[in-house]
Amino acid sequence: KAGVTQTPRYLIKTRGQQVTLSCSPISGHRSVSWYQQTPGQGLQFLFEYFSETQRNKGNFPGRFSGRQFSNSRSEMNVSTLELGDSALYLCASSLARQDFTPWDEQFFGPGTRLTVL
Amino acid sequence: AQSVTQLGSHVSVSEGALVLLRCNYSSSVPPYLFWYVQYPNQGLQLLLKYTTGATLVKGINGFEAEFKKSETSFHLTKPSAHMSDAAEYFCAAMGGIQGAQKLVFGQGTRLTINP
Repeated sequence: KAGVTQTPRYLIKTRGQQVTLSCSPISGHRSVSWYQQTPGQGLQFLFEYFSETQRNKGNFPGRFSGRQFSNSRSEMNVSTLELGDSALYLCASSLARQDFTPWDEQFFGPGTRLTVL
Repeated sequence: AQSVTQLGSHVSVSEGALVLLRCNYSSSVPPYLFWYVQYPNQGLQLLLKYTTGATLVKGINGFEAEFKKSETSFHLTKPSAHMSDAAEYFCAAMGGIQGAQKLVFGQGTRLTINP
């Protein structure tokens, strides 16, 4: 079974631009979560989607948004990029169902490394 | 709100020595606890998880962790370190909002293995 894939793997943008990152979950997984990883702040939760609906959101400004498609693939968008948005963005998928099943393992993709100049 | 604290951002041990990585969590009922490993330029891989039941949890690659509610700890151990264990390790907790899949991570511990 193929793992979580993220595209692109590396991205360089300049301040003020916007960017879209893509995540394809493991087949059959309906929950997709996004995390930002930086040396200073560590790993921080961005948001989680389940069946095309955002179920939970972290403490990030509105410039960070996401969506999920009917095939469970997800995209996240960052508008008006700032230097501080430079980070590794990780996507994770899980079998999580409608009910709360926190023990479902989250499978992480390799990440997209975004550099903002 | 959940919080996770990893004591020691860098740990260095000799090959064959005991590995001990420390993790404490803020009290929450019930806490679901996880240890992940991250190799350079890769995503996170689950080592082990505690949900309910046995407090000593065995994971992959010879790692294990013990959940101690009285100490709010979930320390990760491995009896004998191997060079391939060099990586960054993250302790994480999940819980709180019903229906959410939100992991709260510690700051990470970089493990170095000396030959």
